Amino acid sequence: QKEVEQNSGPLSVPEGAIASLNCTYSDRGSQSFFWYRQYSGKSPELIMSIYSNGDKEDGRFTAQLNKASQYVSLLIRDSQPSDSATYLCAGPNGAGSYQLTFGKGTKLSVIP
Amino acid sequence: GAGVSQSPSNKVTEKGKDVELRCDPISGHTALYWYRQRLGQGLEFLIYFQGNSAPDKSGLPSDRFSAERTGESVSTLTIQRTQQEDSAVYLCASRLDMDNEQFFGPGTRLTVL
Repeated sequence: QKEVEQNSGPLSVPEGAIASLNCTYSDRGSQSFFWYRQYSGKSPELIMSIYSNGDKEDGRFTAQLNKASQYVSLLIRDSQPSDSATYLCAGPNGAGSYQLTFGKGTKLSVIP
Repeated sequence: GAGVSQSPSNKVTEKGKDVELRCDPISGHTALYWYRQRLGQGLEFLIYFQGNSAPDKSGLPSDRFSAERTGESVSTLTIQRTQQEDSAVYLCASRLDMDNEQFFGPGTRLTVL
């Protein structure tokens, strides 16, 4: 079982600030990672996928993958109260696996 | 198109009864996953179906849990002789072949009294 580790938080940031969510993984062969957002009482929603080293930007969200350090992050710029949720990081359960290992999630609170 | 759907959205049952949960994946998605999420906890993998291959049942917690899938469509998760510790949200996800992105349904909240 490959591991994906996240700081459970809670992480509190003021509205308009940058929220930085981090994730480390154990399998050096993993090629792709995913960030899911889960509002309280709802199911996870895919918000970002990243397949190569470096940064990927989508609106206010930037995913960063550093394979050498086995580190994935999600930056949320201009954080809004509506971004308050638990963010789950996920990666393959082994190289070439189609199963995902999920981190336990980081709870983000954006304070108005 | 339509997303993953699950039914029922909520199920309350008495300890010892059997329950059946249903998942309709996104049309064309060949892979289907079941997860369990207890209150305040992370996702717990249960079972994975890929096309006509034998399912990966490695996450099923006991022989009271079973799942079936008809071809590349509907799946049902059955829990026999439910226990209070089975209370959780059961989530289904599907994935398009050759892609690793999983898309989740809304879940079924199971409460065992």
